[in-house]
Amino acid sequence: EAQVTQNPRYLITVTGKKLTVTCSQNMNHEYMSWYRQDPGLGLRQIYYSMNVEVTDKGDVPEGYKVSRKEKRNFPLILESPSPNQTSLYFCASSSGGPDTQYFGPGTRLTVL
Amino acid sequence: ELKVEQNPLFLSMQEGKNYTIYCNYSTTSDRLYWYRQDPGKSLESLFVLLSNGAVKQEGRLMASLDTKARLSTLHITAAVHDLSATYFCAGRNYGGSQGNLIFGKGTKLSVKP
Repeated sequence: EAQVTQNPRYLITVTGKKLTVTCSQNMNHEYMSWYRQDPGLGLRQIYYSMNVEVTDKGDVPEGYKVSRKEKRNFPLILESPSPNQTSLYFCASSSGGPDTQYFGPGTRLTVL
Repeated sequence: ELKVEQNPLFLSMQEGKNYTIYCNYSTTSDRLYWYRQDPGKSLESLFVLLSNGAVKQEGRLMASLDTKARLSTLHITAAVHDLSATYFCAGRNYGGSQGNLIFGKGTKLSVKP
């Protein structure tokens, strides 16, 4: 089954404790992207990757890191999480560019 | 930089009625996207509009793009309860990299019997 998976789905952590949210897709898509969704703000793009080893900042990259070492995986790293990173995070992938993206189920992160 | 504005942000409709959601964007964007998000769920891609005058339809939803007016519309025909969801439009930030998307804040649609 074609899908984008994210882990964990829910995470409660404390300020400053490094964490990684994994994203994996099985559709051989070149494009992958991370978004955060906050009430009243809609979706905002954090980072995206047009292909392996090619990543670029979205609108809100501060406090986040990504890497794209292989095509199927695009982890999101928070090296020192802060409460303002409490949010719902979505990973997405698509073939070529960002047209017709397939979204993961979301990761709800709470930073205390 | 591209800015995307949707209106209305909230829309309560009766079943069977027609309505339109508007998506205005501030600068050139070479393509426009529509997404749907059911309550508590992830997002689903609905339409990709690639050029001026583009029109796409699926079921009771029809999306169109007017690049000269910098406006995309999502028209709902004879609404049914199953269409209750939040709808987002997004533009590709033409001045930036090809992968940078800017989203509107979303329109929460509630269809009542």
